[in-house]
Amino acid sequence: DIVMTQSPDSLAVSLGERATINCKSSQSVLYSSNNKNYLAWYQQKPGQPPKLLINWASTRESVVPDRFVGSGSGTEFTLTISSLQAEDVALYYCQQYYGTPYTFGQGTKLEIK
Amino acid sequence: EVQLVESGGGLVQPGGSLRLSCAASGFTFSRYWMNWVRQAPGKGPVWVSRINSDGSDITYADSVRGRFTISRDNAKNTLYLQMNSLRAEDTAVYYCARWPDHVGGAEYFQHWGQGTLVTVSS
Repeated sequence: DIVMTQSPDSLAVSLGERATINCKSSQSVLYSSNNKNYLAWYQQKPGQPPKLLINWASTRESVVPDRFVGSGSGTEFTLTISSLQAEDVALYYCQQYYGTPYTFGQGTKLEIK
Repeated sequence: EVQLVESGGGLVQPGGSLRLSCAASGFTFSRYWMNWVRQAPGKGPVWVSRINSDGSDITYADSVRGRFTISRDNAKNTLYLQMNSLRAEDTAVYYCARWPDHVGGAEYFQHWGQGTLVTVSS
């Protein structure tokens, strides 16, 4: 199984400042035949299901604000929130879909400082 | 609009059984692979199982293989998860989830239901 490890486990950032969440996979999730990284990011608020933010490591869903940016390739990925808003307080998860079992990171809790 | 509505959760004793349902609407259910994903309290999501459009291709996580059975009724637009020999560690919110496309490849979860809570306890 591909193990996804996020860092940090929790993060406190001031409003308007940058938040950076890291995700590392135990093996590459870059599929060489199409040069795509099989990596997604989700946001989850209390009592709600996860919400898809980014797929293919860097493609933002249409309804997601452009302050959310995904980057990275191979085994190391980053979710950056460029200017933290109050509504961004949530848990964030990365997920690989390179193969089954699909696996998620343990989560990063983002709070306001 | 894609809608997924889970039901069937509840309190069950260890060793017991439960069947979850996921009613789908807003899309052509019979064309899409479907998944079950669970999330234990305070933990990250864990993928449980997937089934292809006609039920002929099924995959399970190791933790549930041999105890859980995924199935679907395309005439009723409903996905099921039969859970047997339940253990305390199966306690979780169970979500049904769908990929964005009806073919494989983009196997991330674009659509989620609200989930149904399964509690395994004596």
